[in-house]
Amino acid sequence: IAGITQAPTSQILAAGRRMTLRCTQDMRHNAMYWYRQDLGLGLRLIHYSNTAGTTGKGEVPDGYSVSRANTDDFPLTLASAVPSQTSVYFCASSDSASTFFGQGTRLTVV
Amino acid sequence: AQSVTQPDIHITVSEGASLELRCNYSYGATPYLFWYVQSPGQGLQLLLKYFSGDTLVQGIKGFEAEFKRSQSSFNLRKPSVHWSDAAEYFCAVVFPGGSYIPTFGRGTSLIVHP
Repeated sequence: IAGITQAPTSQILAAGRRMTLRCTQDMRHNAMYWYRQDLGLGLRLIHYSNTAGTTGKGEVPDGYSVSRANTDDFPLTLASAVPSQTSVYFCASSDSASTFFGQGTRLTVV
Repeated sequence: AQSVTQPDIHITVSEGASLELRCNYSYGATPYLFWYVQSPGQGLQLLLKYFSGDTLVQGIKGFEAEFKRSQSSFNLRKPSVHWSDAAEYFCAVVFPGGSYIPTFGRGTSLIVHP
C-alpha cells in the first residue's frame, strides 16, 4: 500500500524559478490538502480540494497554485519562488474519518 | 473564531515518567479531534482520534487521550514514556458543518531524558 507519494523528496531552487511539487494518492480519497510546515508555526494550509475539479484557498495561498484534474493527483506549483517559501511541504488526503500524510518535500529557495 | 491551541512548545520528561500533552480548542460545538506524531524527517502519523462516544480514547504506541467538553480539551497521555517517543506531537481538529479540513496546533516537541 503506497498511500500518498510526494516528489521530489527535497529540492534546492533558485529564486524566481517555477517549481511543481507532485502528490499522488492511491486511496481514492475525495479530499486532498497541501500544508507547509515551519518551525514554531505548525502546519498551515495552503490549498485544498474537496473533490476532483474543485480547489480552494487555505490560510497561506499567496504564491502557490494547485489543480485537481483527477482524484489521484494534486500538484502544487510555485510560479516564481521566493526565499520565504523555503519550508517543508506536506500533501495529505482524507476520507470521512482520518487524514493521511505524505513524507514531505523539503524545499529550499536560494 | 475556531482555533486549536497547544500551550506547550517543549516538554521534557525522563524515560519511564508519565506524560501529558495539552490541547485546547475554541468552537461552539464538539469538533472531531486528533493527535498526530512526527518523528524527525518524517511525515505525520495518526495516534488516535475522537468523534463521539466514550471520552477516553486509546491509540497506538500506548497513548490515550481524554476529551473533556467542559474544558474544551483533548489532552494526550502516556503512563510511561520511552526514549523512542521523542518527537513532535500535533493536535488537530475538524470543525463539522463546513469543509472537512484539519486545523493543526503549532505542535509540542517532546524531549526524553535517559
